[in-house]
Amino acid sequence: TQLLEQSPQFLSIQEGENLTVYCNSSSVFSSLQWYRQEPGEGPVLLVTVVTGGEVKKLKRLTFQFGDARKDSSLHITAAQPGDTGLYLCAGASWAGSYQLTFGKGTKLSVIP
Amino acid sequence: DAGVIQSPRHEVTEMGQEVTLRCKPISGHDYLFWYRQTMMRGLELLIYFNNNVPIDDSGMPEDRFSAKMPNASFSTLKIQPSEPRDSAVYFCASSFSGGSTSGYTFGSGTRLTVV
Repeated sequence: TQLLEQSPQFLSIQEGENLTVYCNSSSVFSSLQWYRQEPGEGPVLLVTVVTGGEVKKLKRLTFQFGDARKDSSLHITAAQPGDTGLYLCAGASWAGSYQLTFGKGTKLSVIP
Repeated sequence: DAGVIQSPRHEVTEMGQEVTLRCKPISGHDYLFWYRQTMMRGLELLIYFNNNVPIDDSGMPEDRFSAKMPNASFSTLKIQPSEPRDSAVYFCASSFSGGSTSGYTFGSGTRLTVV
């Protein structure tokens, strides 16, 4: 069973601060996805990374896939209250995989 | 498209009763997934379908759980009889061609409480 460990589990910061959350595994993934989930809603896809070492930017969010495709990080610059939510990473074990393995998530609170 | 639609949004039922959760996937998506989310265990895959055919139900907790997909636009997850430990948020998700690059589209979930 492939496991994805996310850290930290909880994070509370002030508006304007920077933060990084991590997603680690001992397994290799062909692709990795990040989702954000707001209270009372389902997860929403933010980004997919496919190539080892790949970096993708989505406004103030920067996603990186590790060189060995076993880990990933999400960095948020100048966090805003609207960034509050549960951030989930999910890995696909081979190209075209129909089954994603989800981490338990990092719960982020950005205080105004 | 209105996205993945789940009903009901909330369900409170007594132990022993039958519960049916419903899902309408995005038109054109060929994969449908049922997940359960709890604080302790996170998101757990229960079962998934490809072109309306169940492919892997190894995540279904026990025989009390069953799922069907009679056509491309509708799926149900049934729990009979329900137990308090089934209390969780149940999500339906759909994807095109597996979703390993395109990702999943999730519904808003059904919050089930069994008392």
